[in-house]
Amino acid sequence: DQQVKQNSPSLSVQEGRISILNCDYTNSMFDYFLWYKKYPAEGPTFLISISSIKDKNEDGRFTVFLNKSAKHLSLHIVPSQPGDSAVYFCAAKTGNQFYFGTGTSLTVIP
Amino acid sequence: EPEVTQTPSHQVTQMGQEVILRCVPISNHLYFYWYRQILGQKVEFLVSFYNNEISEKSEIFDDQFSVERPDGSNFTLKIRSTKLEDSAMYFCASSPTVNNYGYTFGSGTRLTVV
Repeated sequence: DQQVKQNSPSLSVQEGRISILNCDYTNSMFDYFLWYKKYPAEGPTFLISISSIKDKNEDGRFTVFLNKSAKHLSLHIVPSQPGDSAVYFCAAKTGNQFYFGTGTSLTVIP
Repeated sequence: EPEVTQTPSHQVTQMGQEVILRCVPISNHLYFYWYRQILGQKVEFLVSFYNNEISEKSEIFDDQFSVERPDGSNFTLKIRSTKLEDSAMYFCASSPTVNNYGYTFGSGTRLTVV
Protein backbone atom coordinates (compact mmCIF):
# COMPACT_ATOMS: atom_id res chain seq x y z
CA ASP A 1 0.00 0.00 0.00
CA GLN A 2 1.70 3.15 -1.20
CA GLN A 3 0.92 5.94 1.20
CA VAL A 4 3.02 8.52 -0.61
CA LYS A 5 2.71 8.84 -4.36
CA GLN A 6 4.58 10.79 -6.96
CA ASN A 7 2.57 10.25 -10.11
CA SER A 8 4.99 11.90 -12.51
CA PRO A 9 8.09 9.75 -13.02
CA SER A 10 9.82 12.49 -14.99
CA LEU A 11 9.68 16.20 -15.71
CA SER A 12 11.62 18.43 -18.12
CA VAL A 13 11.87 22.17 -17.64
CA GLN A 14 13.77 24.95 -19.39
CA GLU A 15 16.49 26.66 -17.41
CA GLY A 16 15.14 29.74 -15.66
CA ARG A 17 11.56 28.51 -15.58
CA ILE A 18 9.66 27.10 -12.63
CA SER A 19 9.81 23.39 -11.78
CA ILE A 20 6.81 22.03 -9.92
CA LEU A 21 7.07 18.56 -8.41
CA ASN A 22 3.95 17.01 -6.95
CA CYS A 23 3.27 14.46 -4.27
CA ASP A 24 0.05 12.98 -2.90
CA TYR A 25 -0.44 11.08 0.31
CA THR A 26 -3.21 9.08 1.92
CA ASN A 27 -2.40 8.97 5.62
CA SER A 28 -3.87 11.88 7.56
CA MET A 29 -1.59 11.02 10.50
CA PHE A 30 1.51 12.27 8.71
CA ASP A 31 2.91 15.17 10.70
CA TYR A 32 6.00 16.11 8.77
CA PHE A 33 6.88 16.19 5.10
CA LEU A 34 10.24 16.40 3.40
CA TRP A 35 11.74 16.65 -0.03
CA TYR A 36 15.00 14.93 -0.91
CA LYS A 37 17.17 15.23 -3.97
CA LYS A 38 19.16 12.28 -5.22
CA TYR A 39 21.94 12.15 -7.77
CA PRO A 40 22.91 8.81 -9.34
CA ALA A 41 25.01 6.61 -7.05
CA GLU A 42 24.55 8.97 -4.12
CA GLY A 43 22.31 8.95 -1.08
CA PRO A 44 19.28 11.20 -0.87
CA THR A 45 20.10 14.74 0.24
CA PHE A 46 17.67 16.66 2.36
CA LEU A 47 16.25 19.74 0.62
CA ILE A 48 13.38 21.25 2.53
CA SER A 49 10.69 20.21 4.95
CA ILE A 50 7.34 21.36 6.25
CA SER A 51 5.39 20.61 9.36
CA SER A 52 1.75 19.62 9.01
CA ILE A 53 0.73 22.77 10.91
CA LYS A 54 2.05 24.99 8.10
CA ASP A 55 1.02 25.40 4.49
CA LYS A 56 4.18 26.90 3.06
CA ASN A 57 7.88 26.89 3.70
CA GLU A 58 10.44 28.74 1.64
CA ASP A 59 14.21 28.35 1.43
CA GLY A 60 15.92 30.27 -1.33
CA ARG A 61 14.80 28.94 -4.68
CA PHE A 62 12.84 26.14 -3.07
CA THR A 63 9.31 26.43 -1.74
CA VAL A 64 7.20 23.60 -0.42
CA PHE A 65 3.41 23.91 -0.32
CA LEU A 66 1.16 21.69 1.75
CA ASN A 67 -2.56 21.32 1.11
CA LYS A 68 -3.80 19.13 3.92
CA SER A 69 -7.40 19.00 2.78
CA ALA A 70 -6.27 17.66 -0.58
CA LYS A 71 -3.45 15.61 0.97
CA HIS A 72 -1.14 17.16 -1.56
CA LEU A 73 2.42 18.41 -1.34
CA SER A 74 4.37 20.27 -3.97
CA LEU A 75 7.91 21.55 -4.41
CA HIS A 76 8.51 24.65 -6.49
CA ILE A 77 11.98 25.43 -7.76
CA VAL A 78 12.40 28.86 -9.29
CA PRO A 79 14.40 29.67 -11.25
CA SER A 80 15.39 26.15 -12.27
CA GLN A 81 19.05 25.51 -12.96
CA PRO A 82 20.79 22.65 -14.82
CA GLY A 83 22.36 21.56 -11.52
CA ASP A 84 18.88 20.88 -10.21
CA SER A 85 18.64 17.89 -12.55
CA ALA A 86 18.22 14.90 -10.23
CA VAL A 87 15.58 12.57 -8.83
CA TYR A 88 13.37 14.21 -6.22
CA PHE A 89 11.72 12.16 -3.52
CA CYS A 90 8.97 13.38 -1.27
CA ALA A 91 8.66 11.73 2.11
CA ALA A 92 6.15 11.83 4.91
CA LYS A 93 6.62 10.97 8.53
CA THR A 94 4.41 9.56 11.23
CA GLY A 95 5.95 8.52 14.48
CA ASN A 96 9.36 7.11 13.79
CA GLN A 97 8.79 6.01 10.26
CA PHE A 98 9.29 7.76 6.97
CA TYR A 99 7.40 6.84 3.83
CA PHE A 100 8.95 7.76 0.52
CA GLY A 101 7.41 8.38 -2.84
CA THR A 102 8.87 6.67 -5.89
CA GLY A 103 10.61 9.80 -7.08
CA THR A 104 10.37 12.22 -10.00
CA SER A 105 13.32 12.65 -12.30
CA LEU A 106 13.78 16.33 -13.08
CA THR A 107 15.76 17.43 -16.11
CA VAL A 108 16.53 21.11 -16.44
CA ILE A 109 17.41 21.93 -20.03
CA PRO A 110 20.02 24.65 -20.51
CA GLU B 1 29.69 19.70 7.42
CA PRO B 2 28.99 16.53 9.42
CA GLU B 3 28.06 13.53 7.36
CA VAL B 4 26.91 9.97 7.68
CA THR B 5 29.57 7.60 6.37
CA GLN B 6 28.82 4.18 4.94
CA THR B 7 31.27 1.44 4.06
CA PRO B 8 31.81 -0.31 1.77
CA SER B 9 30.34 1.60 -1.14
CA HIS B 10 29.84 -1.64 -3.04
CA GLN B 11 29.68 -5.19 -1.72
CA VAL B 12 29.34 -8.33 -3.81
CA THR B 13 28.45 -11.51 -1.98
CA GLN B 14 27.34 -15.02 -2.79
CA MET B 15 23.83 -16.11 -2.01
CA GLY B 16 23.61 -17.59 1.47
CA GLN B 17 26.56 -15.65 2.82
CA GLU B 18 26.38 -13.20 5.70
CA VAL B 19 27.08 -9.53 5.08
CA ILE B 20 27.60 -6.63 7.43
CA LEU B 21 26.98 -3.11 6.19
CA ARG B 22 28.62 -0.41 8.24
CA CYS B 23 27.59 3.12 9.01
CA VAL B 24 29.06 5.89 11.11
CA PRO B 25 26.24 8.28 12.01
CA ILE B 26 26.75 11.92 12.91
CA SER B 27 28.29 11.93 16.35
CA ASN B 28 25.64 13.85 18.31
CA HIS B 29 22.69 12.14 16.65
CA LEU B 30 20.56 9.81 18.71
CA TYR B 31 18.33 8.10 16.15
CA PHE B 32 19.59 5.76 13.49
CA TYR B 33 17.89 4.20 10.51
CA TRP B 34 18.39 1.79 7.66
CA TYR B 35 16.58 2.07 4.33
CA ARG B 36 16.97 0.21 1.12
CA GLN B 37 16.19 0.90 -2.50
CA ILE B 38 15.88 -1.97 -4.94
CA LEU B 39 16.87 -0.83 -8.41
CA GLY B 40 14.01 1.08 -10.03
CA GLN B 41 11.84 0.99 -6.93
CA LYS B 42 11.13 3.35 -4.08
CA VAL B 43 13.21 3.89 -0.96
CA GLU B 44 11.88 1.53 1.73
CA PHE B 45 12.15 1.83 5.48
CA LEU B 46 13.81 -1.11 7.21
CA VAL B 47 14.43 -0.22 10.84
CA SER B 48 14.94 2.59 13.33
CA PHE B 49 17.17 2.38 16.38
CA TYR B 50 17.31 4.46 19.54
CA ASN B 51 18.87 4.02 22.94
CA ASN B 52 20.51 0.76 21.90
CA GLU B 53 17.38 -0.93 20.79
CA ILE B 54 15.10 -1.22 17.79
CA SER B 55 12.30 1.32 18.09
CA GLU B 56 10.48 0.39 14.92
CA LYS B 57 10.88 -2.03 12.04
CA SER B 58 9.07 -2.79 8.83
CA GLU B 59 7.82 -6.15 7.64
CA ILE B 60 10.85 -6.31 5.35
CA PHE B 61 13.07 -6.48 8.43
CA ASP B 62 12.62 -10.17 9.17
CA ASP B 63 14.74 -12.58 11.19
CA GLN B 64 17.57 -12.55 8.68
CA PHE B 65 18.26 -8.90 9.48
CA SER B 66 19.79 -7.48 12.62
CA VAL B 67 21.23 -4.16 13.68
CA GLU B 68 23.82 -3.28 16.23
CA ARG B 69 25.66 -0.32 17.62
CA PRO B 70 28.73 -2.21 18.80
CA ASP B 71 31.02 0.58 19.95
CA GLY B 72 29.11 3.84 20.28
CA SER B 73 30.11 5.13 16.87
CA ASN B 74 29.32 2.43 14.31
CA PHE B 75 25.82 1.32 13.39
CA THR B 76 25.72 -1.95 11.48
CA LEU B 77 23.16 -3.87 9.48
CA LYS B 78 23.73 -7.61 9.26
CA ILE B 79 22.02 -9.85 6.76
CA ARG B 80 22.53 -13.42 7.91
CA SER B 81 21.91 -15.46 4.80
CA THR B 82 21.65 -13.27 1.75
CA LYS B 83 19.16 -13.89 -1.03
CA LEU B 84 19.22 -12.63 -4.58
CA GLU B 85 16.34 -10.28 -3.77
CA ASP B 86 18.46 -8.56 -1.09
CA SER B 87 20.39 -6.89 -3.89
CA ALA B 88 19.74 -3.18 -3.41
CA MET B 89 21.20 0.12 -2.28
CA TYR B 90 21.19 0.28 1.48
CA PHE B 91 21.09 3.72 3.05
CA CYS B 92 21.89 4.55 6.63
CA ALA B 93 20.52 7.74 8.17
CA SER B 94 20.69 9.49 11.50
CA SER B 95 18.88 12.35 13.19
CA PRO B 96 19.31 14.32 16.41
CA THR B 97 15.70 13.76 17.40
CA VAL B 98 12.70 12.14 15.82
CA ASN B 99 11.19 15.46 14.79
CA ASN B 100 14.28 17.32 13.66
CA TYR B 101 14.82 17.86 9.98
CA GLY B 102 18.53 17.29 10.47
CA TYR B 103 17.77 13.83 9.16
CA THR B 104 20.91 12.96 7.20
CA PHE B 105 21.46 10.09 4.82
CA GLY B 106 24.71 8.34 4.03
CA SER B 107 25.73 7.81 0.44
CA GLY B 108 24.67 4.19 0.49
CA THR B 109 26.14 0.72 0.05
CA ARG B 110 25.29 -1.13 -3.12
CA LEU B 111 24.81 -4.79 -2.23
CA THR B 112 24.92 -7.28 -5.07
CA VAL B 113 24.02 -10.87 -4.26
CA VAL B 114 25.10 -13.39 -6.89
